Amino acid sequence: EVQLVESGGGLVQPGGSLRLSCVASGFIYSSHSMNWVRQAPGKGLEWVAYIRSSDGSIYYADSVKGRFTISRDDAKNSLYLQMNSLRAEDTAVYYCARDYRYSFLNWGQGTLVTVSS
Amino acid sequence: DIQMTQSPYSVSASVGDRVIITCRASQAVSSWLAWYQQKPGKAPDLLIYATSSLEDGVPSRFSGSGSGTDFTLTISSLQPEDFATYYCQQAHSFPWTFGQGTKVEIK
Repeated sequence: EVQLVESGGGLVQPGGSLRLSCVASGFIYSSHSMNWVRQAPGKGLEWVAYIRSSDGSIYYADSVKGRFTISRDDAKNSLYLQMNSLRAEDTAVYYCARDYRYSFLNWGQGTLVTVSS
Repeated sequence: DIQMTQSPYSVSASVGDRVIITCRASQAVSSWLAWYQQKPGKAPDLLIYATSSLEDGVPSRFSGSGSGTDFTLTISSLQPEDFATYYCQQAHSFPWTFGQGTKVEIK
């Protein structure tokens, strides 16, 4: 069974930093590209970042470019999102999601990030 | 960036109804169009990928079609468990983008 388990969310002040983690199991992690997707309270879905399994290529949403960094450790079956210079508008549930044919096949349960003073 | 616009924003329907949700892209997205279902408090579930391919385990009452800039998700006979919010998503080019969502409510 495929499982994606996020952690690392919490309350952080504006301008602060947070590192999210996602541990994967039930599939060959190193063979799959991965994503972070977020959802602000009561709002729709927003793709955040992508990291390709084959060559490590990385892409970001304009809203997070220069502030967030996606990375992966295939030896630990883990995906990360380093979030710096956090803003109130970054408040959201953050999901990691496995890529399949450029769609999001499997999702974690999400971790809530709240940016507030 | 490619903007994805879904219509309607919400639809009120009865069990057994046929429901059609449309998704229009601001530019052509080839076939890299997916549909998701999300229920309150839950992560989304993939229904359709590559415009019309049904994800394993998804009931056959769901179907997707379209090309270029115009796509549809059809639920042929609405079931009680289908009341949810539906999103389209393009993966033609980065940044990948979602539609704003369509809420399917009980009539």
